[in-house]
Amino acid sequence: AQSVAQPEDQVNVAEGNPLTVKCTYSVSGNPYLFWYVQYPNRGLQFLLKYITGDNLVKGSYGFEAEFNKSQTSFHLKKPSALVSDSALYFCAVRDTHGNNRLAFGKGNQVVVIP
Amino acid sequence: DGGITQSPKYLFRKEGQNVTLSCEQNLNHDAMYWYRQDPGQGLRLIYYSQIVNDFQKGDIAEGYSVSREKKESFPLTVTSAQKNPTAFYLCASSPRTVYGYTFGSGTRLTVV
Repeated sequence: AQSVAQPEDQVNVAEGNPLTVKCTYSVSGNPYLFWYVQYPNRGLQFLLKYITGDNLVKGSYGFEAEFNKSQTSFHLKKPSALVSDSALYFCAVRDTHGNNRLAFGKGNQVVVIP
Repeated sequence: DGGITQSPKYLFRKEGQNVTLSCEQNLNHDAMYWYRQDPGQGLRLIYYSQIVNDFQKGDIAEGYSVSREKKESFPLTVTSAQKNPTAFYLCASSPRTVYGYTFGSGTRLTVV
């Protein structure tokens, strides 16, 4: 079964500094990878996805993520963090074999300090 | 606008009562999902449905029930058998392809 690990519970970063949120995955076939963001008392919003092709994926709000097959990672990055980026971030993976279910990580709380 | 709507946004339940959370989508998606979110535990899958009139248990189905009589609708009933129902509930939908999910805005259920 597919799974995702987000090793850090919380990421603190100063406004204007680079932001990285880590994600590693495990699947039996080729992965489809996703990042979502959640603001308090709201649903999850889609940021970006990797299906195939270029390993560097660009998404919404200036975020990007790099797919690394050898390290089974899909880290989310933003060159310059904003206070408004403070939120809960979820990584998810979907296996190309079997069912259509997404497996979610536990989420990372990002706090951008003014 | 296409989207997925959950109602109500806030729900209060007395102990021993059943309550039903609504989830409606007009995206023409085949699959629908219910998740429970508790602080520090991420998202846990309750039930999911790939097509109309069919659904499967997720990881924490005990104390919950669902139906899928229409493609657009996937209501979740929290029964009195669910011992700790206070949580944030999220509904999602997806096409039966490689795409991700579209989420509703959630329902916060509190037992009083």
